Amino acid sequence: GESVGLHLPTLSVQEGDNSIINCAYSNSASDYFIWYKQESGKGPQFIIDIRSNMDKRQGQRVTVLLNKTVKHLSLQIAATQPGDSAVYFCAENRDDKIIFGKGTRLHILP
Amino acid sequence: GAVVSQHPSRVICKSGTSVKIECRSLDFQATTMFWYRQFPKQSLMLMATSNEGSKATYEQGVEKDKFLINHASLTLSTLTVTSAHPEDSSFYICSARVHSLNTEAFFGQGTRLTVV
Repeated sequence: GESVGLHLPTLSVQEGDNSIINCAYSNSASDYFIWYKQESGKGPQFIIDIRSNMDKRQGQRVTVLLNKTVKHLSLQIAATQPGDSAVYFCAENRDDKIIFGKGTRLHILP
Repeated sequence: GAVVSQHPSRVICKSGTSVKIECRSLDFQATTMFWYRQFPKQSLMLMATSNEGSKATYEQGVEKDKFLINHASLTLSTLTVTSAHPEDSSFYICSARVHSLNTEAFFGQGTRLTVV
């Protein structure tokens, strides 16, 4: 069936480097995507979103890229900091519901 | 951003009893509220969607008689886990949305339910 998923379950990045977290989706009708950050024992925190009429959107230290041709979404975090350690989920707005992908754990190396 | 408050944050109950979890939107009126369940090291799985004043819509495989959802006002939704069993132990998370189309949802802090 159609789903939203992630390529890598764990990503280790040196502090100060840039992080790139990837996500593949298969529902070509999806027109809105969101990235969430979840710290241990807490609810998801909104990071950034993008609509399908855009291919790039920037926030503070974060950038989301959308490639509709290959149904790929990525989250770029600039100058990764220890506080960025968390699990990151891409999510898809489908039938007015927010459906989560599998998640990627971001581990920051000192 | 908007604030969604979930209560309690942790609860331990005996097998066979019922537990109620509250989800409140503190500074906005939520057209739609969602309830998710998350097992350790897994993603959030949508359980049900509720709109104020109407019956909740449950995802496939979620027992509506076991997980009772009430959305009595635009700022409050409740999830009651009835006749809880150890396998119901999980992290339950609610979210609220102002408009249904292409807008972000705000999430509560989650409720850790342990059934003993």
